[in-house]
Amino acid sequence: NAGVTQTPKFQVLKTGQSMTLQCAQDMNHEYMSWYRQDPGMGLRLIHYSVGAGITDQGEVPNGYNVSRSTTEDFPLRLLSAAPSQTSVYFCASSRGTGQNNEQFFGPGTRLTVL
Amino acid sequence: DAKTTQPNSMESNEEEPVHLPCNHSTISGTDYIHWYRQLPSQGPEYVIHGLTSNVNNRMASLAIAEDRKSSTLILHRATLRDAAVYYCILRFGNDMRFGAGTRLTVKP
Repeated sequence: NAGVTQTPKFQVLKTGQSMTLQCAQDMNHEYMSWYRQDPGMGLRLIHYSVGAGITDQGEVPNGYNVSRSTTEDFPLRLLSAAPSQTSVYFCASSRGTGQNNEQFFGPGTRLTVL
Repeated sequence: DAKTTQPNSMESNEEEPVHLPCNHSTISGTDYIHWYRQLPSQGPEYVIHGLTSNVNNRMASLAIAEDRKSSTLILHRATLRDAAVYYCILRFGNDMRFGAGTRLTVKP
């Protein structure tokens, strides 16, 4: 199993540009989520999905859209990038929802918005 | 929201045990205690989790206080590869709130 994969590894955008961060998992996990990590801080939840066709907002959803058309993929869209969105983005998945499941994280995408 | 408090940093010598503390005085009865670690330039990695009883796995042990207001992650023999930021997290529902964690330095 490849686990959780993310592309691209690095990206530089100009203010106002849009882009999609890709996330895929091959473990048939129901639950997937996106986090951002700013320098020296812990991760903050952006959006999550408990299954195909179902998404919900996390702690910091503004400026981001998600969709979940398949179990495997959970892309994160930035509609109009802002410098405040400069961060490292991590995708994660787990077998089920709730509190008794470990999450598996991808390697991250480092995004810089100029 | 229930919060956790961890020391900012700790040091350990290689091949010695390490006890990483976490306070969570406002924990609710259904919150699970999770520990993750993050090595430099990598995504977080699951370490261990528990609800009420102490837990052991191949990576570490988790000791949970009887009143559940604190817990301790135990690495039995620290190696240089264990140098990382360790996060103690209370997992409720579908959310998982990370704090700043404890940066563990392992000295050879």
